[in-house]
Amino acid sequence: DTEVTQTPKHLVMGMTNKKSLKCEQHMGHRAMYWYKQKAKKPPELMFVYSYEKLSINESVPSRFSPECPNSSLLNLHLHALQPEDSALYLCASSLPYNEQFFGPGTRLTVL
Amino acid sequence: GQQLNQSPQSMFIQEGEDVSMNCTSSSIFNTWLWYKQDPGEGPVLLIALYKAGELTSNGRLTAQFGITRKDSFLNISASIPSDVGIYFCAGQFNNAGNMLTFGGGTRLMVKP
Repeated sequence: DTEVTQTPKHLVMGMTNKKSLKCEQHMGHRAMYWYKQKAKKPPELMFVYSYEKLSINESVPSRFSPECPNSSLLNLHLHALQPEDSALYLCASSLPYNEQFFGPGTRLTVL
Repeated sequence: GQQLNQSPQSMFIQEGEDVSMNCTSSSIFNTWLWYKQDPGEGPVLLIALYKAGELTSNGRLTAQFGITRKDSFLNISASIPSDVGIYFCAGQFNNAGNMLTFGGGTRLMVKP
């Protein structure tokens, strides 16, 4: 298995909803990442997990809460989001100090 | 955050033409990566470069890691319509938590 999967593909939520994005990889990668991407811009790093521990938080608002239940799974819990949080959310994984492989993304729309 | 200087920002070319794009940085990197992204999809890794001066090919794609470790280019030969998309360069410095620094992207459009 050489891919990163993400669910759901699309998500529409209201500002009072709680939802979660899921990411999975079975490549044995021990580093996993969440990125946010706005239209016509490069991905912006949000969080990095290394060996299931949060190693980098790029000053992301607390309405985004990451979780790494095991070495293959990465979740992003969403609560009380704002319309400006609408974006493509990308998950990636890698071996330590190696190239990152991205999933297909979740297109999030906050109403 | 920091962003690499990637040029051109966009290109509109005829099918069959060759394409060249490049990235420059004020900082050195240990690794240069080139990704292609289709609309609504995640970036797909095209080429990874690990050593200064390295020249690597992947089919019609050729990329080089600059000698100064501060730049890289990507060439696409004999473009075809499915080459349409946004191409991102990314630099990686291994002591920085494996974080990537991206270029602003090159939007490629191919006219059949």
